Amino acid sequence: QVQLVQSGAEVKKPGASVKVSCKASGYTFTSYYMHWVRQAPGQGLEWMGIINPSSGSTSYAQKFQGRVTMTRDTSTSTVYMELSSLRSEDTAMYFCTRDAIPVAETFRFDPWGHGTLVTVSS
Amino acid sequence: DIQMTQSPSSLSASVGDRVTITCRASQSITNYLNWYQQKPGKAPQLLIYAAFSLQSGVPSRFSGSGSGTDFTLTISSLQPEDFATYYCQQTYSTPPGTFGRGTKVEV
Repeated sequence: QVQLVQSGAEVKKPGASVKVSCKASGYTFTSYYMHWVRQAPGQGLEWMGIINPSSGSTSYAQKFQGRVTMTRDTSTSTVYMELSSLRSEDTAMYFCTRDAIPVAETFRFDPWGHGTLVTVSS
Repeated sequence: DIQMTQSPSSLSASVGDRVTITCRASQSITNYLNWYQQKPGKAPQLLIYAAFSLQSGVPSRFSGSGSGTDFTLTISSLQPEDFATYYCQQTYSTPPGTFGRGTKVEV
């Protein structure tokens, strides 16, 4: 079955960077766009960006432009999200989630990874 | 960006109740509206897409309706496993495909 397995929790100091991975299995990795969505504690869902695993092309939410980089490794079917210049407000659960329709940017998210908690604290 | 307003922000219900959650868009989004369920400590799960289409594997007690700016998620008979937070999401204007702030369904 389709699975998205994310890397483990991270604790970072303000100003540092974090890189979260998301390993896909159970489908053709290059056929589905992948998104990243984050959720601060007790808050709602916030879209961060999208990567086309086939071409590597990306698009980021304006809020994260200049701080976020999404990449992929087709040999391991893994996508990565790196966020730099971390501040306390970046403390959140970070989810990878696949677009539901192949070769399309529908922004219909299914399935989701289990999430990676990133804590930013001095 | 299109703003999505959910109401109520929380509600109390009992097993067997009919539950209705509403979502209003700041402009017409035709039927580009999805609903997700999130249980504590878990990732969201897609319930309904395109306003009223049930995602595969989702129980038929869940239904969606609406078009334009006003949408509704209905649970016909609340089950114990349905206590969760529900989010609407518009995909008419993407990126970013904005979410509502969520509705928590609790006992």
